[in-house]
Amino acid sequence: AQSVAQPEDQVNVAEGNPLTVKCTYSVSGNPYLFWYVQYPNRGLQFLLKYITGDNLVKGSYGFEAEFNKSQTSFHLKKPSALVSDSALYFCAVSSLNTNAGKSTFGDGTTLTVKP
Amino acid sequence: DTGVSQNPRHKITKRGQNVTFRCDPISEHNRLYWYRQTLGQGPEFLTYFQNEAQLEKSRLLSDRFSAERPKGSFSTLEIQRTEQGDSAMYLCASSLDPGSFNEQYFGPGTRLTVT
Repeated sequence: AQSVAQPEDQVNVAEGNPLTVKCTYSVSGNPYLFWYVQYPNRGLQFLLKYITGDNLVKGSYGFEAEFNKSQTSFHLKKPSALVSDSALYFCAVSSLNTNAGKSTFGDGTTLTVKP
Repeated sequence: DTGVSQNPRHKITKRGQNVTFRCDPISEHNRLYWYRQTLGQGPEFLTYFQNEAQLEKSRLLSDRFSAERPKGSFSTLEIQRTEQGDSAMYLCASSLDPGSFNEQYFGPGTRLTVT
C-alpha cells in the first residue's frame, strides 16, 4: 500500500521569507510525486511533479520541490513567500505498481503567509 | 473554459433520497477519477475510468454508490438511499494516460449535505 504524510497541519510564514511544506511518502517501486494547491472554493490545481531525473523540480508560481529518495521525502519550497500563496497544499504519490497509477493524497497543510 | 466541470455545485438532500452528480472532463483526457473529500482530509479515491471502462472501485464505495461513463465522455456518480455520513465534497478529476505520472485536473467539486 502507498501512503503520504504531511506532518504539519499548519505552516505560518512572513511574507518575503522562505517557506517549506513537508511531505514524506511510502510506496512500492519508483514513486511519482505531485503537489497540488487548493484555494478556497476552488478545485485542486496542479503545481509540480517528480517523475524521474533531476531531484529538484520547478513548478508554477515560483514553487519548487526536492525529491530525496533516502529520506522518502518531497518537500515543497519557495524562496520568498507571498500573501497570495496562502492556501491548502496537498502532496500525492503514485507508482506503476499501483492499479492504474492511482494517486494517494496526504491530508493537506494549510499555509498562511502574513504580511 | 476547457477545464473539468461538475454539476451541481451544491446539493442538499434528505436522508434516504437518491442523488446524482455529473462530471465533464477535459475532452482529450481518457482517465476520469472520482474522489471524496471531507473537512481536514485529502481527497479519498472512490473509482476511476479509462475511457468508458470502470477499472477500479475503492472499498469505500458501498453498493449504494454507482458510477458510469457512457461513451467515455462525461461521468455520473449516483448515491442511493443517502445517509448523513455521505455528506462530503465529491471531486472529479481527469488526466491523460498513463495515469501514473500524468497530473490530474480537478473540477470544483459538488458539496453534498444530507439532512
